[in-house]
Amino acid sequence: DQQVKQNSPSLSVQEGRISILNCDYTNSMFDYFLWYKKYPAEGPTFLISISSIKDKNEDGRFTVFLNKSAKHLSLHIVPSQPGDSAVYFCAASGGSNYKLTFGKGTLLTVNP
Amino acid sequence: EAGVAQSPRYKIIEKRQSVAFWCNPISGHATLYWYQQILGQGPKLLIQFQNNGVVDDSQLPKDRFSAERLKGVDSTLKIQPAKLEDSAVYLCASSKGQGALETQYFGPGTRLLVL
Repeated sequence: DQQVKQNSPSLSVQEGRISILNCDYTNSMFDYFLWYKKYPAEGPTFLISISSIKDKNEDGRFTVFLNKSAKHLSLHIVPSQPGDSAVYFCAASGGSNYKLTFGKGTLLTVNP
Repeated sequence: EAGVAQSPRYKIIEKRQSVAFWCNPISGHATLYWYQQILGQGPKLLIQFQNNGVVDDSQLPKDRFSAERLKGVDSTLKIQPAKLEDSAVYLCASSKGQGALETQYFGPGTRLLVL
């Protein structure tokens, strides 16, 4: 039973355009959501997070939107750069258990 | 600041053999995690330590996997005996403390192939 779902295995965008990565979750106990970025042969690195008390969090070119009623979050990257090409993981935690549950990841390719 | 160190980076073994992975977390980080990432999947938490105590090992296959963090710093993860389905990347992560707001910092991982 996958509690965090990233239904798009891959996404390709042109440099300078917007990248939108999507994530759905099923566990109503989740109240904190994170995005991690992973380059080949490296470990995931933290990118941005959002608490369930907010619906938007912005950090430079990266913005995460949370729609609690739809149990959906998205990561927007504007403008996209070739260096953004990586696998992006959505993760969630909640309740008394701080354990992170990860999605399968989306491979983003930004073409010059 | 040095990141999370892991060794070896790659390991190939035959099924039924044993293997051990080592992790050195970021200095001062009390919480240490071991994750298993199977190809095409996201990382799955195997075990979480707070200092040298186990916080969560609910997803650790205890019949073959073991982990320790004796002095509350370095940690080792062992598989004995290995199965084909253990082929994966084993990621170690650390954070200053527990809690959802504590950022986890990941090492580069150990890629294990079981033949």
